[in-house]
Amino acid sequence: QSALTQPRSVSGSPGQSVTISCTGTSSDVGGYNYVSWYQQHPGKAPKLMIYDVSKRPSGVPDRFSGSKSGNTASLTISGLQAEDEADYYCSSYAGSYTVVFGGGTKLTVL
Amino acid sequence: EVQLVQSGAEVKKPGESLKISCKGSGYSFTSYWIGWVRQMPGKGLEWMGIIYPGDSDTRYSPSFQGQVTISADKSISTAYLQWSSLKASDTAMYYCARQGDSGYVDYWGQGTLVTVSS
Repeated sequence: QSALTQPRSVSGSPGQSVTISCTGTSSDVGGYNYVSWYQQHPGKAPKLMIYDVSKRPSGVPDRFSGSKSGNTASLTISGLQAEDEADYYCSSYAGSYTVVFGGGTKLTVL
Repeated sequence: EVQLVQSGAEVKKPGESLKISCKGSGYSFTSYWIGWVRQMPGKGLEWMGIIYPGDSDTRYSPSFQGQVTISADKSISTAYLQWSSLKASDTAMYYCARQGDSGYVDYWGQGTLVTVSS
């Protein structure tokens, strides 16, 4: 079980859109439609933003969307806002109820 | 309201043992997996393992198998993460997390900071 691959950092200006990729293998991302995304602000616990590839929990703005193609999942944030600046982590189901996380991506809002 | 409340910060010496806890409330504790996630200082999230309190079925990440023990006491809706001999490299924030069947975590504890230093 190796960590999923995410870019170390991405950035965008307020109002723009950014996409964060998350690459795994056929044993995790590619094998199941069970990718989730988390937002973590400094000193805080992570927060679920997307689950099952593209579903949004109640209360998460529709500016956040998820997708998947093959072994790569993506999180897109449209209409960037200052409060979106945070670390973002993907995770994938990897069979037998186990999970693997990505290394994390730091989003900077310019 | 679903809540996961973790025990407080710990400072330990190398070689000591430790057991931290996570008490669930506001939902059926025996019906959801409870997991543990490590975050070392300045680093990312690492999935350690989970337990199903209903029958104590436990799964571990290969990276943590044999290094820690996950357990639960369903009578008091509490999950535990335990070390028998701590190392300096165990210094981290540890989060408990309620995990759905498809692997997503919908509720997180507030975190327990474990510091291991001589």
